[in-house]
Amino acid sequence: GAGVSQTPSNKVTEKGKYVELRCDPISGHTALYWYRQSLGQGPEFLIYFQGTGAADDSGLPNDRFFAVRPEGSVSTLKIQRTERGDSAVYLCASSPRGASQETQYFGPGTRLLVL
Amino acid sequence: AQSVTQPDIHITVSEGASLELRCNYSYGATPYLFWYVQSPGQGLQLLLKYFSGDTLVQGIKGFEAEFKRSQSSFNLRKPSVHWSDAAEYFCAVAGGSNAGKSTFGDGTTLTVKP
Repeated sequence: GAGVSQTPSNKVTEKGKYVELRCDPISGHTALYWYRQSLGQGPEFLIYFQGTGAADDSGLPNDRFFAVRPEGSVSTLKIQRTERGDSAVYLCASSPRGASQETQYFGPGTRLLVL
Repeated sequence: AQSVTQPDIHITVSEGASLELRCNYSYGATPYLFWYVQSPGQGLQLLLKYFSGDTLVQGIKGFEAEFKRSQSSFNLRKPSVHWSDAAEYFCAVAGGSNAGKSTFGDGTTLTVKP
């Protein structure tokens, strides 16, 4: 594909529900990142995958958040028992190998609203 | 821990005027530094990055930034701003044991007056 894609672009859910957010990275990129961007703030790191494995999940706020990348390409961010404070734009990015100096290519984000 | 401070939340400049957006970072070793731009409804787009060599880096859209280790700064500049430059700008740092993890500032919103 031409770039990183994310679906859905918008998601409205009720407090307590379960949501899944999908990220389709640039073909061939082994590194994939999830960030969360709250209103008026910069993106905040959540988790980083190298291939199928989570290399760094230190940014996940609590155990309601989980992410997978079973085949090393598409990734799904899963949020259980959503809370109003989870409302934010969830950004996905990918890079060729995951080295620190590499450019991360960002998707357009999924805007999550928890009512 | 690495951190980034963008001291200016909002900046307004006239079209054609010069621009400087400030970025200060905290990092224990040589950092990798990035500037991104985010327009409404758009994803983050990389403007430029520094990871070694010449401390003055050139980017897309006529932007440049200068890495100053002594001041822990990486300020973004443009000599003549265009109305299309109105957007939000983010500085980010990465590197070392935090490979793969970028830390972003809270951004500076640029308004361009006609």
